[in-house]
Amino acid sequence: GAVVSQHPSRVICKSGTSVKIECRSLDFQATTMFWYRQFPKQSLMLMATSNEGSKATYEQGVEKDKFLINHASLTLSTLTVTSAHPEDSSFYICSASLDSSTNEKLFFGSGTQLSVL
Amino acid sequence: DAKTTQPTSMDCAEGRAANLPCNHSTISGNEYVYWYRQIHSQGPQYIIHGLKNNETNEMASLIITEDRKSSTLILPHATLRDTAVYYCIALLSGTYKYIFGTGTRLKVLA
Repeated sequence: GAVVSQHPSRVICKSGTSVKIECRSLDFQATTMFWYRQFPKQSLMLMATSNEGSKATYEQGVEKDKFLINHASLTLSTLTVTSAHPEDSSFYICSASLDSSTNEKLFFGSGTQLSVL
Repeated sequence: DAKTTQPTSMDCAEGRAANLPCNHSTISGNEYVYWYRQIHSQGPQYIIHGLKNNETNEMASLIITEDRKSSTLILPHATLRDTAVYYCIALLSGTYKYIFGTGTRLKVLA
């Protein structure tokens, strides 16, 4: 099946720094990618929808200036957590759709565990 | 998208069938039922999906009631590696904005 690669798998940073997470579709072009956040023992929460060549659409309550999303190509979307604080520590997961006109499944990355000290 | 309801947790003996229910009583005619699972600290993994007919693949079977208000995911011979959180999602045809519910935490016991 299609592969979505997410990097890094784990990152530790100091409070106030920015962290960039990459999401790549390795063997297909993804016009749409999604970013989720997951706190321990909780479900995945959709943060934003990333569309190639246009601005991301953020879910209610998600700060767009805090979580910068760039989808510059059909195979790459990035999430930058700006001025990270300990409360931003979480598991971040991206996903990519293969074709929006079919019912093919959504493919997920392996996630990034962010720890802010 | 229709809201789905699942039991919080279930146990299953290794080698036995695991039957995971999902209620989606407000599902519309063009919403599919998708099942994913998430093993600890990994991204969700696709299992199976269906519209109204029962479906089977190498991983599992999906049984959807005739009125489509509920479904059951069946893992025919559960192994320890099937321990995970299982999510049932009702998804409008052609869309990919998955909204995850709380899921069912399945624990397969040796």
